[in-house]
Amino acid sequence: KAGVTQTPRYLIKTRGQQVTLSCSPISGHRSVSWYQQTPGQGLQFLFEYFSETQRNKGNFPGRFSGRQFSNSRSEMNVSTLELGDSALYLCASSATGNPNQPQHFGDGTRLSIL
Amino acid sequence: DQQVKQNSPSLSVQEGRISILNCDYTNSMFDYFLWYKKYPAEGPTFLISISSIKDKNEDGRFTVFLNKSAKHLSLHIVPSQPGDSAVYFCAASGSSGSARQLTFGSGTQLTVLP
Repeated sequence: KAGVTQTPRYLIKTRGQQVTLSCSPISGHRSVSWYQQTPGQGLQFLFEYFSETQRNKGNFPGRFSGRQFSNSRSEMNVSTLELGDSALYLCASSATGNPNQPQHFGDGTRLSIL
Repeated sequence: DQQVKQNSPSLSVQEGRISILNCDYTNSMFDYFLWYKKYPAEGPTFLISISSIKDKNEDGRFTVFLNKSAKHLSLHIVPSQPGDSAVYFCAASGSSGSARQLTFGSGTQLTVLP
């Protein structure tokens, strides 16, 4: 069974630009969550999508947005990039998003802002 | 406001000995706890979980203990192997409200010395 796939693996942008990251969940999984990981910090929850609907949102500014498609693939968009947005962005999927189910992570997209 | 805390950023253990990683939480709504392991340049991998109705869960060399009254959990690895060297994240979730989202600690870097 293929795992969670994130593209691209690495991305370099400059301040003020915008970026779109992509996540393909494990086949059959309908819940996709996004996390930001910065040095010294744990994974900070961004948002969760289930059946094309945002079901839960973390404490991030409106510059961070996402969407989910009918095939459960998800994209995350960050507009007006800031230096502090440099981080590893991780996507995770689970079958139903039930909090009592482990989530399965992709290898992440490393975003660097110059 | 860190709801899940891992107070030891790093831990070094001799091969064959026991590794004990600790985690504290503050949100009483959490009722499901997980440990993830993360190697560099890879996404976190689910290791073991425990529900709040139990106080111990074992899977091979890995055992998780939960002390609900102290809001504390720990991961024991016996015996430790060099391949266990990784960053270990503790995470927690609950069934309602903001606790539904998976909340992570900041991680502990475990180094197992040969």
